[in-house]
Amino acid sequence: GAGVSQSPSNKVTEKGKDVELRCDPISGHTALYWYRQSLGQGLEFLIYFQGNSAPDKSGLPSDRFSAERTGGSVSTLTIQRTQQEDSAVYLCASSSGVGELFFGEGSRLTVL
Amino acid sequence: GENVEQHPSTLSVQEGDSAVIKCTYSDSASNYFPWYKQELGKGPQLIIDIRSNVGEKKDQRIAVTLNKTAKHFSLHITETQPEDSAVYFCAASSEGNTPLVFGKGTRLSVIA
Repeated sequence: GAGVSQSPSNKVTEKGKDVELRCDPISGHTALYWYRQSLGQGLEFLIYFQGNSAPDKSGLPSDRFSAERTGGSVSTLTIQRTQQEDSAVYLCASSSGVGELFFGEGSRLTVL
Repeated sequence: GENVEQHPSTLSVQEGDSAVIKCTYSDSASNYFPWYKQELGKGPQLIIDIRSNVGEKKDQRIAVTLNKTAKHFSLHITETQPEDSAVYFCAASSEGNTPLVFGKGTRLSVIA
């Protein structure tokens, strides 16, 4: 597709379970970002991949959160032992490295 | 790190009136200031951006101003229309070096 694709669009899980969220960026984009949007809140930066550089993980809220970007393309955000406060919309974006970020429609996570 | 403050959090205007949203940033190294519009159930989309080498930029009914000395920037929407109703986010970064840091958003309602 032409845009950033995220899956699943909705995920309901039980507290303590692990979840994986997937992001397919726009082809050729070297930069990939994960943000979290809690209800009524802004966009909280989580992690940033740029080319072959080491990712900027400074926004990850705890060691239960991790992300990978395989082959410079698809990225997976993993949340281990989910907690209720992890409930949010997780947004992925990609860019050429400068300028506009192109966002996906997000993965809505609900932890019961 | 960068900190972006945005206000107001909500704004209601009559159709045809102007709307102004203001943001401040903390990091003097930031040089890129985009504005994103988020409609319900969608990811944010870029509507206009400005870099620190200019003080103002216009695109039809939308304009952005930047005051580097005071570290604040503003979005101006003139002749508002109902389809302008959305959540607007400002952001700041050192372009190409640091990820975008977003404000908490402004929910704009344009009343017909």
